[in-house]
Amino acid sequence: QKEVEQDPGPLSVPEGAIVSLNCTYSNSAFQYFMWYRQYSRKGPELLMYTYSSGNKEDGRFTAQVDKSSKYISLFIRDSQPSDSATYLCAGPPQGAQKLVFGQGTRLTINP
Amino acid sequence: EPEVTQTPSHQVTQMGQEVILRCVPISNHLYFYWYRQILGQKVEFLVSFYNNEISEKSEIFDDQFSVERPDGSNFTLKIRSTKLEDSAMYFCASGADSTDTQYFGPGTRLTVL
Repeated sequence: QKEVEQDPGPLSVPEGAIVSLNCTYSNSAFQYFMWYRQYSRKGPELLMYTYSSGNKEDGRFTAQVDKSSKYISLFIRDSQPSDSATYLCAGPPQGAQKLVFGQGTRLTINP
Repeated sequence: EPEVTQTPSHQVTQMGQEVILRCVPISNHLYFYWYRQILGQKVEFLVSFYNNEISEKSEIFDDQFSVERPDGSNFTLKIRSTKLEDSAMYFCASGADSTDTQYFGPGTRLTVL
């Protein structure tokens, strides 16, 4: 069973829409989670970092973790064409330093 | 804003040749990592490095791979005898401590012919 799973998409929405990106994870020992944004042929860029269950908001971005259902979400409000990228969720299993990544969801925001 | 840098941005090599990929982590960070991403696939962990030694490695990181921090600023990944399947983007990352966010560099695209 894969440790972190994401729907790879592609997901295409009109500009201004609310976007919901999701991940599930199988290992209850994950300590915290990150969302990274990756533009084509570039390195992952950190968007959000969240430790516990609940919501964390940063501008147009909200990260949500539901540890009981092992579900992680990223919401983007008022989406912009510049948000078009691949979004990666990741986390470290407990006791590990490595990050385990989902396969990424490719998002396109259409003007 | 401090960032991780990597050189070269693109490396082309012949199968069987040795390559060294270079990274300059963020200056006050103590934990260093290498990941790779084969085209169209997940970002995969290779190795973590702390206090001048490997602290964790994946099954991908076999005897063909080695890492080194030759001075106070650089962090290198050496692939001793490259194979076609080593073609990938290689990302360096660094963090201030073991539970800190990992900040990624722009990557080196390695093409093995």
